[in-house]
Amino acid sequence: EAQVTQNPRYLITVTGKKLTVTCSQNMNHEYMSWYRQDPGLGLRQIYYSMNVEVTDKGDVPEGYKVSRKEKRNFPLILESPSPNQTSLYFCASSLYWSSYNSPLHFGNGTRLTVT
Amino acid sequence: QQPVQSPQAVILREGEDAVINCSSSKALYSVHWYRQKHGEAPVFLMILLKGGEQKGHDKISASFNEKKQQSSLYLTASQLSYSGTYFCGTLSSGNQFYFGTGTSLTVIP
Repeated sequence: EAQVTQNPRYLITVTGKKLTVTCSQNMNHEYMSWYRQDPGLGLRQIYYSMNVEVTDKGDVPEGYKVSRKEKRNFPLILESPSPNQTSLYFCASSLYWSSYNSPLHFGNGTRLTVT
Repeated sequence: QQPVQSPQAVILREGEDAVINCSSSKALYSVHWYRQKHGEAPVFLMILLKGGEQKGHDKISASFNEKKQQSSLYLTASQLSYSGTYFCGTLSSGNQFYFGTGTSLTVIP
């Protein structure tokens, strides 16, 4: 089944403890991205990747890192999480971003709480 | 640069129609529309490319006016299953993609 898989679905952690949220897609998509969703603010882009080894900052990249060593994987790394990073996170992928007409396929989300 | 959606929320009775608007301050290459049910991931509805096209899917359709940098989503004869939050997403130069703040749609019997 074609899908975007995020893990974990729920994560509670403490301030400063490094964590990684994994994202994997099995559709051979070129484009992958991370969003955070907060009430009243909609979905805001954190980082995106046009292809392997090509990543770029989105709207709210501070406090996050990403890497794209393989086409299928795009992990989100929080080196030193803080409470203001408590949010619902979504990974998404798309076949060809440059054609402007490829839809985004979303993972099921990761609800992160930083205490 | 985040597109502005209106209205923020709307409540409809089954069978009524609704229009959701999405407006950007930047020139747009394409507009996406997604629907998100509570606690779930956003689901793709349709993409519109510049050229003033209009698309439809069942009783949900959309238009894109590139000169005005606006798109509208039309839901006709609404069903209970239409309830959710609708997001537009806009792609401008620079490959950055912005979602709107969302419109909450509730359909009641």
